[in-house]
Amino acid sequence: AQSVTQPDIHITVSEGASLELRCNYSYGATPYLFWYVQSPGQGLQLLLKYFSGDTLVQGIKGFEAEFKRSQSSFNLRKPSVHWSDAAEYFCAVGAYTSGTYKYIFGTGTRLKVLA
Amino acid sequence: SAVISQKPSRDICQRGTSLTIQCQVDSQVTMMFWYRQQPGQSLTLIATANQGSEATYESGFVIDKFPISRPNLTFSTLTVSNMSPEDSSIYLCSVEGVDRFQYFGPGTRLTVT
Repeated sequence: AQSVTQPDIHITVSEGASLELRCNYSYGATPYLFWYVQSPGQGLQLLLKYFSGDTLVQGIKGFEAEFKRSQSSFNLRKPSVHWSDAAEYFCAVGAYTSGTYKYIFGTGTRLKVLA
Repeated sequence: SAVISQKPSRDICQRGTSLTIQCQVDSQVTMMFWYRQQPGQSLTLIATANQGSEATYESGFVIDKFPISRPNLTFSTLTVSNMSPEDSSIYLCSVEGVDRFQYFGPGTRLTVT
């Protein structure tokens, strides 16, 4: 069965520091992978996506993620965190089922940024 | 990308009552989805709503509790029936765009007392 694991429930970093959020997935075929961000009281915003091709993908807000098939990982990175990045981050895998892609979400990582 | 709105944005309801949540998208889409996000938890897919056919429910969700309508290609409703405090959640709709990505609405925050 498909699954997504985000091993870090909470992460705290100082503003200006680098960030890496971990995501591991389980899926039998080549996965479609996504990172979403949810600010308090807001809906989900797509940060970036991987379908195929270059394994390093660039997203919005200075985020990037690297797909590593051998490790079944799709970790999100940012070289320098801003206070406005404090939010909850969800990794998701798109599983093709019955003619569409159903998304399976990880449990999320809540990011806190210290001034 | 698609622009999605939901009504209401939040509501407080008494147990035993029902609430209908509306989802409107600014373009015609084939697939719409309804998710539940319980407090402090991740998103769980409730059902997939394809225009012109019955919604397809995920394991653990039934039509009697969460009836869905999909009258046209830009609109869907989700009803949370006979509510209990355990139904307190954020309910989100999403649509599959032409690029095959899912775009999410802002969510409806439901509190059941």
